[in-house]
Amino acid sequence: DIQMTQSPSSLSACVGDRVTITCRASQSISTYLNWYQQKPGRAPNLLIFAASSLQSGVPSRFSGSGSGTDFTLTISSLQPEDFASYYCQQSYSRPLSFGQGTKLEIK
Amino acid sequence: QLLLQESGPGLVKPSETLSLTCTVSGGSINSISHYWGWIRQSPGKGLEWIASIYYSGSTYYNPSLESPVTISVDTSKSQFSLKLNSVTAADTAVYYCARHTRGVGATLLGVFFDHWGQGALVTVSS
Repeated sequence: DIQMTQSPSSLSACVGDRVTITCRASQSISTYLNWYQQKPGRAPNLLIFAASSLQSGVPSRFSGSGSGTDFTLTISSLQPEDFASYYCQQSYSRPLSFGQGTKLEIK
Repeated sequence: QLLLQESGPGLVKPSETLSLTCTVSGGSINSISHYWGWIRQSPGKGLEWIASIYYSGSTYYNPSLESPVTISVDTSKSQFSLKLNSVTAADTAVYYCARHTRGVGATLLGVFFDHWGQGALVTVSS
């Protein structure tokens, strides 16, 4: 099974900050990596697919990059509604697997 | 707008069967471009993919799950269902149904979950 490891596990930042979250796969997954945002009590919401493709309706301040084993999600200028948890997910091999999450909090 | 809604008991006894149904509305469950899946989330294990099914009945399962799992689809009702047998406290979680894209070839390569239900909390306890 492919293990997905995110860092940091939690992060404090201010509105307007640029934030980067990292996801590392236990083996190469090419660009088969997706990112989700989850707010308390809600289901995850797709932000980025195929490592760098922005899902329709997602603000352009979100961007993704990487390939192989190392990936990043960047929020260029944090907005109040961005404080949430973020998860990466690999779709290179079965079983599909998720990272443990990064909780983004207001400083 | 595509909507997915989970339904089923919120409390299941240990060793019994957990059964959940997802009703799809606002779109067709017979989509040739999508699969329908179940994911659960618990504090201990985070997000865990359970299984996926195509409208034709083709299935994928997570072999790492300890409890035996069955996923099925009823296209006439626009529903798909999940059964976990012989559950334990470790199966306590919020269960989500979701739609994902069809993978490359007969695989899950490149899939992503683009629509989710609101989630259903299932507690396993006597």
